[in-house]
Formats: sequence, structure tokens, C-alpha cells
Amino acid sequence: AQKITQTQPGMFVQEKEAVTLDCTYDTSDPSYGLFWYKQPSSGEMIFLIYQGSYDQQNATEGRYSLNFQKARKSANLVISASQLGDSAMYFCAMREGYNQGGKLIFGQGTELSVKP
Amino acid sequence: EAGVTQSPTHLIKTRGQQATLRCSPISGHTSVYWYQQALGLGLQFLLWYDEGEERNRGNFPPRFSGRQFPNYSSELNVNALELEDSALYLCASRPGHTRSYEQYFGPGTRLTVT
Repeated sequence: AQKITQTQPGMFVQEKEAVTLDCTYDTSDPSYGLFWYKQPSSGEMIFLIYQGSYDQQNATEGRYSLNFQKARKSANLVISASQLGDSAMYFCAMREGYNQGGKLIFGQGTELSVKP
Repeated sequence: EAGVTQSPTHLIKTRGQQATLRCSPISGHTSVYWYQQALGLGLQFLLWYDEGEERNRGNFPPRFSGRQFPNYSSELNVNALELEDSALYLCASRPGHTRSYEQYFGPGTRLTVT
């Protein structure tokens, strides 16, 4: 069965520094996708970045980059130049095969706190 | 472009009652997903609707049901509410029949069962 693991319940980072949030996954499906979402205290899930299993290059979106190591089954999120507004819960998620409709399986999340 | 909208924002019900939650997807999106985020349990997939049909459901009892309307909006119904149904219910939408896999979430409905 597919599984997503985030081993860091909470992380602290100093403003303007970079931070890496860990995510490992397990699947036997050769076609899958990996996502990172941000959830502020308001509750809304904000899409950050996507990496497909066949993508050759690591995904980047502005200050967000995804360090995809397929052999190690890891998909870590790197946030560069942290800002106070980055304080939130961060969830790693994996899309099941397309025939399953692309439903997402989420990790338990990492709470990031950015210190001024 | 308007995002995914959900109503109501908060809902308070008594055990045994029924709750109805509503979701309007982004214009042009035909797939709607429902997730439950209960305290300590993370986000769990509930239901997937596409083109008016229920396509997949998660490991939830039948008292969790819903439907998708011709305009692609969706309704989630929870019958015979139990205390453990208290959670944030998130709706997400995605364009159907494309390789765009990102799901865009609404702000959620917080259901409290007393």
C-alpha cells in the first residue's frame, strides 16, 4: 500500500535562512506524483509544488524546490530565504495511479516556525 | 479566477443528526474530492466525484455519502453523526481528463459534533 512519511513533527528556522522538510514515500506503482501543500492556521491547503515520477529534473517554484531522490524514495521540500509568512503546517502527499482518480495520500505534516 | 468555495464555514450538530456540506469547484474543473482532517489523524481521502458520478471512496462507512450536480458542485452528507466525525472537511477540485494532477483546495468546513 502507498504510504507517505514525514518524520519531523516540528521545525524551527531563522528568517532568511533555508530549510529542508523531509518526506519519504513507498509505492509499487511506477507512475506516481508527489506534492507539497502548505496549510496556514486558517485551514486552507495551498498547493506549492509537484514532481512526477518520470520527471528528469527537480521541480522548482519560486522559493520552493523539491529534492527528488527516486532511488531513496524521498521528496524533500527546500524553502529558500524563509519568511515569517512561511510559518504553517506543511504536508507531503502522493497521488495514486491515474486509474484511482488521482486521490492524494498525505503524510502527517511538519509544523514550520520561522523566527525573526 | 475564483477558487474553490465551501459552505458553511462552521457547522455545529448534535450526535445522531445529519450534516450537509457544500463545495463549488473552480470553473472548468469537473473532478471534486472530499477529505477529512480530524485531529491527530491527518488528511484522509473520503470521496471522488467526476462528471456527476462517484468514482472512488475511501475507507469510511456508508453514512458518509454525497453527490455531484450537473454544474459540478458537490454535496457531502454525513448521517447519524458521531462525536468522532468532528473534523475539518476539505473539498478540492481538479480539471478532468487532463494530465494536470494538482488539486486545489477550498477553505474547509469545520464540523463540530456535540
